[in-house]
Amino acid sequence: AQKVTQAQTEISVVEKEDVTLDCVYETRDTTYYLFWYKQPPSGELVFLIRRNSFDEQNEISGRYSWNFQKSTSSFNFTITASQVVDSAVYFCAHSRADFGNEKLTFGTGTRLTIIP
Amino acid sequence: DTGVSQDPRHKITKRGQNVTFRCDPISEHNRLYWYRQTLGQGPEFLTYFQNEAQLEKSRLLSDRFSAERPKGSFSTLEIQRTEQGDSAMYLCASRNRGPNEKLFFGSGTQLSVL
Repeated sequence: AQKVTQAQTEISVVEKEDVTLDCVYETRDTTYYLFWYKQPPSGELVFLIRRNSFDEQNEISGRYSWNFQKSTSSFNFTITASQVVDSAVYFCAHSRADFGNEKLTFGTGTRLTIIP
Repeated sequence: DTGVSQDPRHKITKRGQNVTFRCDPISEHNRLYWYRQTLGQGPEFLTYFQNEAQLEKSRLLSDRFSAERPKGSFSTLEIQRTEQGDSAMYLCASRNRGPNEKLFFGSGTQLSVL
């Protein structure tokens, strides 16, 4: 069975600081996807990224970057120059690579608070 | 609004009552998912439809839970004889077929069973 661990329950940083959210996963699948979602107070989960297990290249999107390392089964998320609008709960998730069936296994989330 | 819509946003009920939630996916999305999220936890998969066919059900979905998607468009999730342990946020998501399509979530229905 798959398992996703987000050991950081809550993180608070001062605005403009960089912050890294950790994600460690367990899976027996040879091919799989990893995800990050953001859940603001409104409750809606907002998709941030999907990474295929074949692709270990790091990705950068604006202030966001992701570090995928299969050797350590980690998929960490870094926000550079944090802003108050980044305050939310962030979830890491795993799914099998069965196209069309994105049954996600989520971690317990990290609540990020950006202090102005 | 072309996102996933869920109704109601909040539901308070007494233990033993039946409740029904509705999800309207993004039009033309043929896959629809229900998840449940309890306080301080990540969402947990409940069930999944491809068009009107319910293809998978989690063990979390007891006999008191039933989900339908009669015409392959909107879906309903009914909980019979609610228990306090059913209190949670029920999230709906939809996506189109294809390897590069992503899952879009609604804002959820928050259920409180008193």
